[in-house]
Amino acid sequence: KAGVTQTPRYLIKTRGQQVTLSCSPISGHRSVSWYQQTPGQGLQFLFEYFSETQRNKGNFPGRFSGRQFSNSRSEMNVSTLELGDSALYLCASSLVGGLETQYFGPGTRLLVL
Amino acid sequence: DQQVKQNSPSLSVQEGRISILNCDYTNSMFDYFLWYKKYPAEGPTFLISISSIKDKNEDGRFTVFLNKSAKHLSLHIVPSQPGDSAVYFCAASLGSSNTGKLIFGQGTTLQVKP
Repeated sequence: KAGVTQTPRYLIKTRGQQVTLSCSPISGHRSVSWYQQTPGQGLQFLFEYFSETQRNKGNFPGRFSGRQFSNSRSEMNVSTLELGDSALYLCASSLVGGLETQYFGPGTRLLVL
Repeated sequence: DQQVKQNSPSLSVQEGRISILNCDYTNSMFDYFLWYKKYPAEGPTFLISISSIKDKNEDGRFTVFLNKSAKHLSLHIVPSQPGDSAVYFCAASLGSSNTGKLIFGQGTTLQVKP
């Protein structure tokens, strides 16, 4: 079975721009969660989607948004980029969430200049 | 408020010896715990998990122990190998709430010396 895939792997943007990141979960997995990893804050939960609905949200500003499609693929969008948004963005998938293991993709490295 | 803490930023052990990585948590409602291993610029790789109804889970060289009264879990790696050198994260979940949200510790960098 193919693992979680994320595109693009690397991205450079400038302040004020917006960006869209994509995540394809493991086949059959319906829950997709997004995390931000930075040196100072570690791995922080952004949001989770299940059956095309946002089921849980972390403490991030409204500039961070996402969606999930009927095939469980998910995208996250960051608008009006700030320097502090530079990070490794990771998505993880699981069958339905909850008492299950989440499997992570390789991440998208975003650099905001 | 950091609900999951890994108080040791780094750990160095000799090849063949035991590595013990520790993790403390504050929320008694956490009911599922996981350990992940991570290399730079890669996503975390799942190692082992434990439900709050158990106090031990073993998978090959990896064993996780859970002490609910102390709100403490540990990962034992025996024997340690140089390929185990990586950053290890513990994570906790409110699994019973059926949401895909993991709370991560800050990570411990393990170095296994040949």
